[in-house]
Order: sequence, then structure tokens, then C-alpha cells
Amino acid sequence: EEQLLESGGGLVQPGGSLRLSCAASGFTFSPFRMSWVRQAPGKGLEWVSTIRGDGTETYYADSVKGRFTISRDNSKYTLYLQMDSLRAEDTAIYYCAKLPPARDGLFSVDIWGQGTLVTVSS
Amino acid sequence: DVVLTQSPLSLPVILGQPASISCRSSQGLVDTDGFTYLSWFQQRPGQSPRRLIYKASKRDPGVPDRFSGSGSGTDFTLKISRVEAEDIASYYCMQYTHWPPVTFGQGTRLVIK
Repeated sequence: EEQLLESGGGLVQPGGSLRLSCAASGFTFSPFRMSWVRQAPGKGLEWVSTIRGDGTETYYADSVKGRFTISRDNSKYTLYLQMDSLRAEDTAIYYCAKLPPARDGLFSVDIWGQGTLVTVSS
Repeated sequence: DVVLTQSPLSLPVILGQPASISCRSSQGLVDTDGFTYLSWFQQRPGQSPRRLIYKASKRDPGVPDRFSGSGSGTDFTLKISRVEAEDIASYYCMQYTHWPPVTFGQGTRLVIK
């Protein structure tokens, strides 16, 4: 069964840092783009960042550019999100997800983790 | 950036009756390859999102056939033919035809009337 399991969330003060991890299992990790999507309390879904399967290209939402860094270790089947200079508005559940799918005409299974809560507060 | 506008934001429904959610895009979502990269997600309370529809109208495996996606260009619709209790959730459209960024609609919450 394909699974994603996030960890690393918690309470951090404004200006602080946190590193999220997402462990993948049940599918071949390396070919696929992977993303972080967040959801502030009571709000909708917001795309945060995406990384190519080989890790050579990364993309960020304007709201986190210059503060967050996405990376992956394909040998460990793990996705990361390094979050620096955290702000109160970064408070959210952070999901890792296997998206966006490749545009190769093939069906791509949709996989989301259960999410990890990041709270930025003094 | 592509803006997706969903309506309504809250949809009172009667169990057993149909329901329909609109998603309008600020730009056409047909890619140069002819495909439309518009997906619909369901998020039940306390759960992670789950994709229901991809490429505007293709149903994911295991999704009940009461769910259907339609539309083209800039106007898209998610329909539930007969709402069941387990369908009470929030629904989001998402596009990745013009990415980055991937963009989501604001979400539509189905509530029991």
C-alpha cells in the first residue's frame, strides 16, 4: 500500500526554524514530483513547494520563497521541508503529497500523508 | 497565476438529492498536449484530501460513480448524483496546467440542510 508519513511538526517561536520529513513507502519514490501543501486552521489548501523526482528543480509559493527549502533523499525514500524565519501565518497542517502528476499520459496514483501540525507562536 | 473560483462556498444539501459545485478558472486550462489538468479533491473532517477526479472528468479508482466531473476551458463542475451521508465534506478544485504555482479553489463545504 502506498503511504506517506510526515513528522517533525510542533510549536516554534516566530523567527525560529523547523524541519519536516515525509517518509514514503509502497511505491517507487524517485521518479515522481513531490510537494508540500498546507492548510491553516479552518482554511483551504495552499500549495507550498514542489521538487522534481531527481531533485534538480524546485518550486516555491511566493509566500515562502527565500524562507523554506524543499529537498529529498531518494535513497531513503524521504522528502524534507526546511522552514526558517517562521511567522505566525505559517501556522498550519503541512501535508506531503505525490503531486502534481507527470504529463505523460499515464495514470498517476494520488497519495497524501496524514499531515503534521506546525504552530508558530510565542 | 491562475485563480480558481469555486461556488458556492457552502452548499446545503438534502441526502438523496443531487449537488453541484462550480470551479471557474481565470485562464483556460487546456494544455498544449490537449489535456486539461484540473482535479477535484474531497476532504472529510479531520482527514487528508483525497482525489476524486483528474483531467477534469476521469474518476479515480474506487470513487463511487455518483461523482462526476465535467467542463472545459475555464468552467468546470463536480456533480454528486445523490448525496450520501459520507459525502459531507469540503471539496476543492486544483489546476496544474499552468504551474508553478499549483493552485486550489477556496473550497466548498457540503452541509446537511
